[in-house]
Amino acid sequence: EAGVTQSPTHLIKTRGQQATLRCSPISGHTSVYWYQQALGLGLQFLLWYDEGEERNRGNFPPRFSGRQFPNYSSELNVNALELEDSALYLCASSYLARTQYFGPGTRLLVL
Amino acid sequence: QQQVKQSPQSLIVQKGGISIINCAYENTAFDYFPWYQQFPGKGPALLIAIRPDVSEKKEGRFTISFNKSAKQFSLHIMDSQPGDSATYFCAASRMDSSYKLIFGSGTRLLVRP
Repeated sequence: EAGVTQSPTHLIKTRGQQATLRCSPISGHTSVYWYQQALGLGLQFLLWYDEGEERNRGNFPPRFSGRQFPNYSSELNVNALELEDSALYLCASSYLARTQYFGPGTRLLVL
Repeated sequence: QQQVKQSPQSLIVQKGGISIINCAYENTAFDYFPWYQQFPGKGPALLIAIRPDVSEKKEGRFTISFNKSAKQFSLHIMDSQPGDSATYFCAASRMDSSYKLIFGSGTRLLVRP
């Protein structure tokens, strides 16, 4: 069974641009979580999508947004990129359970 | 109150030794405590998890010990191997808060051959 996949693996943008990151959950999983892993800040919860709806968001500004599609895949959009947005963005999926399975991440570099 | 504090920041252990990583939390509403292992360039992988109604859980060489009254839990890696060298994260979540994981700051483990 395929695990959580994320694309692209690496993304380089400049300040002020927009970034779009994609996540495909494990087949059968309906929940998608996004986390940011920035150097020195650890893993921080960004967003939770379940059954196509945003259910919860972490302490991040509104320029971090996303959506979940009918096939349960998800997209994270980061607008007006700032240098401090450089981080590894991790997606995790789960289904009616506490266990979250993580993908390999997208490494975003903002120049 | 949402924090999970993890120690040590880094740990060096000889092959065959026991690695011990500790975590502490404040919020008594947390009801699920997983440990994740992360290798460089990879996403975190679930190692083992425990709920507060259990004081210990063992899976192979990995054991979680849980002390509800002290609000502490720890990961023990028995017979540590060089392949265990990775960063380990403890985490906590609560059912009434979207199951989002609150992570500790991580422990970088190096097992010397």
